[in-house]
Amino acid sequence: DTAVSQTPKYLVTQMGNDKSIKCEQNLGHDTMYWYKQDSKKFLKIMFSYNNKELIINETVPNRFSPKSPDKAHLNLHINSLELGDSAVYFCASSQEGDEQFFGPGTRLTVL
Amino acid sequence: EDQVTQSPEALRLQEGESSSLNCSYTVSGLRGLFWYRQDPGKGPEFLFTLYSAGEEKEKERLKATLTKKESFLHITAPKPEDSATYLCAVQDSGAGSYQLTFGKGTKLSVIP
Repeated sequence: DTAVSQTPKYLVTQMGNDKSIKCEQNLGHDTMYWYKQDSKKFLKIMFSYNNKELIINETVPNRFSPKSPDKAHLNLHINSLELGDSAVYFCASSQEGDEQFFGPGTRLTVL
Repeated sequence: EDQVTQSPEALRLQEGESSSLNCSYTVSGLRGLFWYRQDPGKGPEFLFTLYSAGEEKEKERLKATLTKKESFLHITAPKPEDSATYLCAVQDSGAGSYQLTFGKGTKLSVIP
């Protein structure tokens, strides 16, 4: 019974394309997040979303946009993909500030 | 800006050889310090949350402790299945969200 799921697990695409990654949590949590893990395995926050309030890390390019159709989903849309966007993207959820539960990750490769 | 520094970057232990991982942090106000374990190709798995200096938590061979400037993850008599990357993260009580600021992790290898 998966708590936080992401699709797809692997995504290979060309530079300039637009792509989306889906995330769903069945934990009933009120806050969801997107993190990026680079090639050196450094995990960095991109967005947090709570009760329709979006907080964006200032370093995230505006080509990245999260969309939440409901409390259990937070999808990540990326426009005009660049080589530097290649990384593993993790979705996570929590109940307010309690421990965060992470999804299995989506490995994005931009060619 | 919140900062988290973990040491060592990598650690090789013989099975049964106890050791400690260090996490030093700088944060305007600590809401919580979190330890996670990450296996290759998987998402981080939650281990512990510590909220105040002096607090300790244990789980099997792992024990986490917290002071005002750092946290330690003590591993007692490790087994090969403890091999993983251990991540430390802080949550700033002054931040606008519940986001975590992570360190770069310690990659632990336990040799049989």
